[in-house]
Amino acid sequence: ETGVTQSPTHLIKTRGQQVTLRCSSQSGHNTVSWYQQALGQGPQFIFQYYREEENGRGNFPPRFSGLQFPNYSSELNVNALELDDSALYLCASSPGLAGAVGQYFGPGTRLTVL
Amino acid sequence: AQKVTQAQTEISVVEKEDVTLDCVYETRDTTYYLFWYKQPPSGELVFLIRRNSFDEQNEISGRYSWNFQKSTSSFNFTITASQVVDSAVYFCALSQETSGSRLTFGEGTQLTVNP
Repeated sequence: ETGVTQSPTHLIKTRGQQVTLRCSSQSGHNTVSWYQQALGQGPQFIFQYYREEENGRGNFPPRFSGLQFPNYSSELNVNALELDDSALYLCASSPGLAGAVGQYFGPGTRLTVL
Repeated sequence: AQKVTQAQTEISVVEKEDVTLDCVYETRDTTYYLFWYKQPPSGELVFLIRRNSFDEQNEISGRYSWNFQKSTSSFNFTITASQVVDSAVYFCALSQETSGSRLTFGEGTQLTVNP
């Protein structure tokens, strides 16, 4: 069984640029969530996708957007990058929306904005 | 609104000592789920345990044990006979039935186990 994978591992961008991060969910999982983890802090929920539809969003501006594809893989797009966007971006998949199922995390993408 | 508080920012112990990581949570839901995750330096969050709000039975798994008390809204985690490999950041997290599987995390506790 393949776990959650993310690409790229590391990324360096400059202010104002745009970035796309990718995530492949664990086999059998139809729900993907994205989290931002700034240095020394806990992960913060960005948004969640269930069966290709956004299903909830955290306190992040509209320049953070996403997609989920028919195979349940997902993308996170960030436009007009700011220095504070530098963080570890974590993708998590789960086999549904119920709170009981828990989430399984990928290794993350470390984004540095200069 | 939900909230998770981990008051201990950093803990340092010597190998073979027992260590307890504290977690206090806030939620208005009657059905909710509590989790502990471990984050080693590599960055990947590793799932350790899940408890639901209607099961206060405490659990022991090898060197790990968990103490869930609804009366004090606490879900503490104990490592017995700590080892250097236990060094990591540990996160407590909460999901509510009304919010689906999204997680609210605490700020984490950095545990360092010295030889």
